[in-house]
Amino acid sequence: QTVVTQEPSFSVSPGGTVTLTCGLTSGSVSPNYYPSWYQQTPGQPPRTLIYSTDNRSSGVPDRFSGSILGSKAALTITGAQADDESYYYCALYLGSGIWVFGGGTKVTVL
Amino acid sequence: QVQLVESGGGVVQPGRSLRLSCAASGFTFSTYGMYWVRQAPGKGLEWVAAISYDGSNEYYADSVKGRFTISRDNSKNTLYLQMNSLRAEDTAVYYCSKDLVLYRTRVMGYWGLGTRVTVSS
Repeated sequence: QTVVTQEPSFSVSPGGTVTLTCGLTSGSVSPNYYPSWYQQTPGQPPRTLIYSTDNRSSGVPDRFSGSILGSKAALTITGAQADDESYYYCALYLGSGIWVFGGGTKVTVL
Repeated sequence: QVQLVESGGGVVQPGRSLRLSCAASGFTFSTYGMYWVRQAPGKGLEWVAAISYDGSNEYYADSVKGRFTISRDNSKNTLYLQMNSLRAEDTAVYYCSKDLVLYRTRVMGYWGLGTRVTVSS
């Protein structure tokens, strides 16, 4: 069974840059997996940040960017702000009508 | 403005059924794929089911296959999730989501606020 992997946690200083990754236990992530990224704070629904690898969703600040880095999808936050402190989830479309979320990364800004 | 409003959650005993609804507005419902995603207490997001824009294709996670049915009524702009044989592990907040691209079922985009389902005796 294919599992989507994410770092459990990351810490970043205000104004700093952090890159979160989204990988597969078997194989490499490519644009064919339509990697997407979601931000969620406790008690709130997810907010879509990035879809189809590198497309920013409407209203998302340009300090959030998506890419493929090596064998993984990546979400980079450049110039982190206090309200970026959240959980970040990636999702991949594995084909044949199957979607899988990663376990999420907790980002702390301090 | 896109709005997705889930309803139908509640407390139900194991083995019973529940039907969730998601009322959509602010976009042409019949032209977008739709999804159900859930989040158990203190856990991450889990994709549950998806349906194509015209209802011709349905997709399910293994954890709910054979027990849950996704459907849509494009005349009523409403998405449904019929949940049968409920188990304690189905306890979660259930979110409705729409795709971001016309006629496609690939990426969860806009989200509702969710409806809570608790399966307990």
